[in-house]
Amino acid sequence: QVQLVESGGGLVKPGGSLRLSCAASGFTFSDYYMSWIRQAPGKGLEWVSYISSSSSYRNYADSVRGRFTISRDNAKNSLYLQMNSLRAEDTAVYYCARPLYGSSSEFDSWGQGTLVTVSS
Amino acid sequence: QSALTQPASVSGSPGQSITISCTGTSSDVGNYNLVSWYQQHPGKAPKLMIYEGTKRPSGVSNRFSGSKSGNTASLTISGLQAEDEADYYCCSYAGSSTYVVFGGGTKLTVL
Repeated sequence: QVQLVESGGGLVKPGGSLRLSCAASGFTFSDYYMSWIRQAPGKGLEWVSYISSSSSYRNYADSVRGRFTISRDNAKNSLYLQMNSLRAEDTAVYYCARPLYGSSSEFDSWGQGTLVTVSS
Repeated sequence: QSALTQPASVSGSPGQSITISCTGTSSDVGNYNLVSWYQQHPGKAPKLMIYEGTKRPSGVSNRFSGSKSGNTASLTISGLQAEDEADYYCCSYAGSSTYVVFGGGTKLTVL
């Protein structure tokens, strides 16, 4: 079965950096675009970034563009999110999400999430 | 402020039906048949309940149905059960630049 396992979250000071990872299994990872979606404490969902199956295309929400970088390693079935210049408003649970098919914008598989807390 | 507008809360008694609305614009909901709905229980990851506006993934109860009219999508849950109590989020494709936008979420309480 499809499994997505995020890691790398934690407490970081404003202006700091963190790298999130998502280990995928149970499906052909290289066939799918992948996304990061976040949820601030007690708030709604916010799409953060996606990367195409071959890493040719990447897109970011305006709120993170220029600070976050998405990447993937298809040989390792892994997705990454490098987060720099972190702000308090980046505090959230970060989910790795797989779309229904290839490049779909609808997500049928989610990880359990990893909490990022930005605080001094 | 979320891009899509949902009511903050709805409630219903077991066995009843409820509908959650999701209002967007002609740039998202109104322009694409790519509205999805997610159910989220406390402390859990979201679960896809409806995709492409009206379709149910395998394993999702047929008590859940979706529809769309103009810039507004709706999720209807019939025969409410206690286990349906959760937060529900709508989501729409919004073009290649914005990609997807979510609603602010609706808390469903089963009385």
